[in-house]
Amino acid sequence: DAEITQSPRHKITETGRQVTLACHQTWNHNNMFWYRQDLGHGLRLIHYSYGVQDTNKGEVSDGYSVSRSNTEDLPLTLESAASSQTSVYFCASSDGAAGTGELFFGEGSRLTVL
Amino acid sequence: KQEVTQIPAALSVPEGENLVLNCSFTDSAIYNLQWFRQDPGKGLTSLLLIQSSQREQTSGRLNASLDKSSGRSTLYIAASQPGDSATYLCAVDTGNQFYFGTGTSLTVIP
Repeated sequence: DAEITQSPRHKITETGRQVTLACHQTWNHNNMFWYRQDLGHGLRLIHYSYGVQDTNKGEVSDGYSVSRSNTEDLPLTLESAASSQTSVYFCASSDGAAGTGELFFGEGSRLTVL
Repeated sequence: KQEVTQIPAALSVPEGENLVLNCSFTDSAIYNLQWFRQDPGKGLTSLLLIQSSQREQTSGRLNASLDKSSGRSTLYIAASQPGDSATYLCAVDTGNQFYFGTGTSLTVIP
């Protein structure tokens, strides 16, 4: 069955370190998204991609970057981790035209920045 | 900007009861609306997707309706079970982004 795999599922890091969260999907979807989920804020879009070599900023993109070198992967990098980036991060993908279609999620990556 | 609201934020019902969860959105220009379930510590699982041209979708004990003109969707759960306890989120697809509600936390009491 097709799926989205995120790794690591849990990570603890220190302020100032670079962190990369991996996202791999086997749906062959063009659209991929990174969200963070925090109490009181719901799901907020960090970055998204509509295809290889395409990346776009979401509403909370400061301090984060992504790259899309193939269809399957969209890694999320925190350049210099801050305590405010402690959160649960979800990767998602969809089919359809850019940004549309049924959305499928990974299991999430819980990041703690000390 | 599209805003999605889910009321109530939390709901507790006895097992066997039929219930309705609500989702409202401010801009009717949507491609589709999707309902998700999220269990604690887990990702979001897609329950139902309603295209903008559809009025409702059904899957087992779940029925979702969509009234685009009034900016509302409901998720009807029949004969609720303790295993239905979870947070339910709706999301609207505007054609370039998805906008999420903050969810309704459902507890079904045995």
